[in-house]
Amino acid sequence: AIQLTQSPSSLSASVGDRVTITCRASQGISSALAWYQQKPGKAPKLLIYDASSLESGVPSRFSGSGSGTDFTLTISSLQPEDFATYYCQQFNSYPLFTFGPGTKVDIK
Amino acid sequence: QLQLQESGPGLVKPSETLSLTCTVSGGSISSSSYYWGWIRQPPGKGLEWIGSIYYSGSTYYNPSLKSRVTISVDTSKNQFSLKLSSVTAADTAVYYCARHQQWLVRWGQGTLVTVSS
Repeated sequence: AIQLTQSPSSLSASVGDRVTITCRASQGISSALAWYQQKPGKAPKLLIYDASSLESGVPSRFSGSGSGTDFTLTISSLQPEDFATYYCQQFNSYPLFTFGPGTKVDIK
Repeated sequence: QLQLQESGPGLVKPSETLSLTCTVSGGSISSSSYYWGWIRQPPGKGLEWIGSIYYSGSTYYNPSLKSRVTISVDTSKNQFSLKLSSVTAADTAVYYCARHQQWLVRWGQGTLVTVSS
């Protein structure tokens, strides 16, 4: 089974900071990766699919890149509403899929 | 606007079977090209895909849970269901239902199920 790791597991940042989160797959998954944002008590929200495609309605400060085994989610200028936990998800073995362990972004 | 709503007991005894239903509104569960899945999240932990069902009835399960999971669909009620047998405290989690293709766009709000005697 394909495993996903994320780094860092948590980070502290300030409003306006550029934030980068990394997701690494245990084997190549082409561009079969999505990113989600989850706030406490809420369901996850899709941000990025196919590694770099921005979901409709998601602010352009979010971007994704990568292919194969290494992927990144970048928030170009962190806003107050972006403090949340972020998960990657691989769908290379669709309809089976797995999630990364998550990265919590909190206020510095 | 498609909406999903989980329902079922919030407390289940150890060794018993957890049963949840997801009711879909604003769209048909028989729509082709979509899967209907269950994902769970233990308190303070990450997301775990449990399994999914295609509108035709084909099922796909997380290998780590496969021996205990059954997902079924009732198109007449526009619902799909999860059964997880022989539960333990480790199965305590918020359970989400979702509609998906390769990625998950539509989620239910989630329901907390606690396994305790």
